[in-house]
Amino acid sequence: GAVVSQHPSRVICKSGTSVKIECRSLDFQATTMFWYRQFPKQSLMLMATSNEGSKATYEQGVEKDKFLINHASLTLSTLTVTSAHPEDSSFYICSATVSGGEDTGELFFGEGSRLTVL
Amino acid sequence: AQSVSQHNHHVILSEAASLELGCNYSYGGTVNLFWYVQYPGQHLQLLLKYFSGDPLVKGIKGFEAEFIKSKFSFNLRKPSVQWSDTAEYFCAVAPAGGFKTIFGAGTRLFVKA
Repeated sequence: GAVVSQHPSRVICKSGTSVKIECRSLDFQATTMFWYRQFPKQSLMLMATSNEGSKATYEQGVEKDKFLINHASLTLSTLTVTSAHPEDSSFYICSATVSGGEDTGELFFGEGSRLTVL
Repeated sequence: AQSVSQHNHHVILSEAASLELGCNYSYGGTVNLFWYVQYPGQHLQLLLKYFSGDPLVKGIKGFEAEFIKSKFSFNLRKPSVQWSDTAEYFCAVAPAGGFKTIFGAGTRLFVKA
């Protein structure tokens, strides 16, 4: 299956700093990537849909200035948590769909990035 | 708004027991339905999916799910679980022809050897 890689898998930062998380599709092109946030014992919450070459579409309640998403190429999307605060501590997961071919709707997931803001 | 409800947050079974995980969804249009699984320390991965046709869908590792449109349900089943089925299972829904996928809260399954 298609492989999606996230980096870093864990990051600890001080309050007020910014953190960038990368999501790469390793063996396929992904025109669309998704960013999810998962709270302990809760579901994956869709934060935004990232489209290559255009602005991301954010879900209601997600601050676009706080969570900057850039999808500069067909294999890379980045999520930058700006001026991070302890309440931003969470598990962030990206996923991607395979471009072209049969529209299966299947998502391929990265391994997730655990952010801890002190 | 779309939503997905999974009935059980935690399930503990002995090996060889039968499994059924409930999933109900709320959405006004045609949907695609998925079950994803996350084994300890691994990525989320697709277990099975339903798009159209036979409402009984077979997936990997002996899992199957049945789409009952009238009940807005897509329950996951396996006749005989194994210790290696210990994982977290997520039911998910996406609009037909789209990719915006909504997930249920997940069910943690622990299978005792």
